[in-house]
Amino acid sequence: GQQVMQIPQYQHVQEGEDFTTYCNSSTTLSNIQWYKQRPGGHPVFLIQLVKSGEVKKQKRLTFQFGEAKKNSSLHITATQTTDVGTYFCADGGSQGNLIFGKGTKLSVKP
Amino acid sequence: ETGVTQTPRHLVMGMTNKKSLKCEQHLGHNAMYWYKQSAKKPLELMFVYNFKEQTENNSVPSRFSPECPNSSHLFLHLHTLQPEDSALYLCASSQEWGYTFGSGTRLTVV
Repeated sequence: GQQVMQIPQYQHVQEGEDFTTYCNSSTTLSNIQWYKQRPGGHPVFLIQLVKSGEVKKQKRLTFQFGEAKKNSSLHITATQTTDVGTYFCADGGSQGNLIFGKGTKLSVKP
Repeated sequence: ETGVTQTPRHLVMGMTNKKSLKCEQHLGHNAMYWYKQSAKKPLELMFVYNFKEQTENNSVPSRFSPECPNSSHLFLHLHTLQPEDSALYLCASSQEWGYTFGSGTRLTVV
């Protein structure tokens, strides 16, 4: 079935360093969504990308959708301790049912 | 509060027990979902309801039984569970895009 692969699985950074997580699919994605789950919390919707080559920014977060709509990335500039959590990408699918990647767990050392 | 409320937050049950998880949303969303989140697996879609009708059952064992009496409420009835069913069970709702998740029920089967 449809799968989205996410790398890396874990990332440890020093506060102030940048962070990037990547999401890849073997098939074309109709849309890609990104979620953040804080430790002990639940996934929270961040953004949806729909168009080929789309780039969206939310403060220090930059989201990109590949030209072929088979990959996406989330980049955080100058990480802060509040960025700690697991970041998931999810394939929106043709029927709107989300298929999630395994997530990238980010830890930030102060 | 996210707009999606799940009860109970924590549940410990024996393998012969019968219990139910409850989810309630007042966001006016038409679709509701049950997801399972285990330690070493991605978020797994279990059931999907659109306008109270079940549109997807993702090969879930029959010991999990969903019920959607109206578009605001969703239940997950549990019976004769196994220890490997211990996980975080998340309810979500959506309208067009971007899921809103509840805080989840942390289930432990002993």
